[in-house]
Amino acid sequence: ETGVTQTPRHLVMGMTNKKSLKCEQHLGHNAMYWYKQSAKKPLELMFVYNFKEQTENNSVPSRFSPECPNSSHLFLHLHTLQPEDSALYLCASSQVAGETYEQYFGPGTRLTVT
Amino acid sequence: GQQLNQSPQSMFIQEGEDVSMNCTSSSIFNTWLWYKQEPGEGPVLLIALYKAGELTSNGRLTAQFGITRKDSFLNISASIPSDVGIYFCAGQTSPLIIQGAQKLVFGQGTRLTINP
Repeated sequence: ETGVTQTPRHLVMGMTNKKSLKCEQHLGHNAMYWYKQSAKKPLELMFVYNFKEQTENNSVPSRFSPECPNSSHLFLHLHTLQPEDSALYLCASSQVAGETYEQYFGPGTRLTVT
Repeated sequence: GQQLNQSPQSMFIQEGEDVSMNCTSSSIFNTWLWYKQEPGEGPVLLIALYKAGELTSNGRLTAQFGITRKDSFLNISASIPSDVGIYFCAGQTSPLIIQGAQKLVFGQGTRLTINP
């Protein structure tokens, strides 16, 4: 059973909608990540949060807005998306300590923008 | 930026066969991770490698951290139907944690299909 949960698992939204993706980690980790996974492309890192502070914004358009209220929860707020934003959005968490780099993923939210 | 070349892109094998896949890069990596992703799920960590030359097993899976630190290999012995999925390598280049960011570079994946 995964220690990282994501809701919803599937989301269909129009280009004018506003929606939010939620991620929760139960592993006691202090870093959380958003990734985008599109067909035939490697995983793309979008945002990194360490101890609730955003440390990375990988040139993501402003129509994606992350929020990390505490080290266990991560949100991705979506507004005025484009059809090319349809993808699997994955959340991951890790423990920032020493030199271990193991990231643990949630099951993802399959997003379809119509 | 760094890129990982993962091969093969897909494999079609018979149940019981052994499987080999690899990732290579022009950059030196300090960490190699191998993940498996099944349809409708997120990637699941299989093996983590932290030292050049390290050979680590997880059941029927064995992974190695290349001596040059520019490649890694994953082998699956005696494949079974539940091995089906996409296998990803991921690498970390920085030996230090910069501002707490743990940036991984991912390969494009090897899709494994098994004929019973």
